[in-house]
Amino acid sequence: DAGVTQSPTHLIKTRGQQVTLRCSPKSGHDTVSWYQQALGQGPQFIFQYYEEEERQRGNFPDRFSGHQFPNYSSELNVNALLLGDSALYLCASSKGTGNNQPQHFGDGTRLSIL
Amino acid sequence: KNQVEQSPQSLIILEGKNCTLQCNYTVSPFSNLRWYKQDTGRGPVSLTIMTFSENTKSNGRYTATLDADTKQSSLHITASQLSDSASYICVVTLPYSGGYNKLIFGAGTRLAVHP
Repeated sequence: DAGVTQSPTHLIKTRGQQVTLRCSPKSGHDTVSWYQQALGQGPQFIFQYYEEEERQRGNFPDRFSGHQFPNYSSELNVNALLLGDSALYLCASSKGTGNNQPQHFGDGTRLSIL
Repeated sequence: KNQVEQSPQSLIILEGKNCTLQCNYTVSPFSNLRWYKQDTGRGPVSLTIMTFSENTKSNGRYTATLDADTKQSSLHITASQLSDSASYICVVTLPYSGGYNKLIFGAGTRLAVHP
């Protein structure tokens, strides 16, 4: 039973470029959330997708966008990359959006901006 | 001000010793409080989930407690092992609203267990 998988594991980009990160949820899960985790900090919520729609969004600019596909997998897109976008990007999946649903995290994509 | 504060920021203990990590939160009301373990370079893994009505929850050598009156939670690790070296993150879940459950993460406590 595969858990949450993310790709790529590492990525290096330069300022101004665009990037797409991918996430496949745990089998049986239909909800995907994305987080940004700066070094030494806790994860910060970016947005959540359920039924192919963005359900809620954190305090991130419009440069951050996403998509969820019919098979529940998801993409995170970041445009016009800034040095401050360097971070570990985590994807978490759950079944439904209920409060007590445990979230399962992937191991993240480490994005470095030069 | 952070809604979820964790202390200490970092901690070093010797293998076999016990330790307690603290989490203070201002979020109220909330649906549940979670503790996650995050190994370096890996995603967080859930250790415990407690609703506001629960006082304690155990998972092997990990025991979490919750005092809703003082808005404090602690994670106690018994007989520490080298593999316990990781960051431990406290997470508070806001009540379900607008079709979404929002999680508020603490910054974590970095634990190092030395032989």
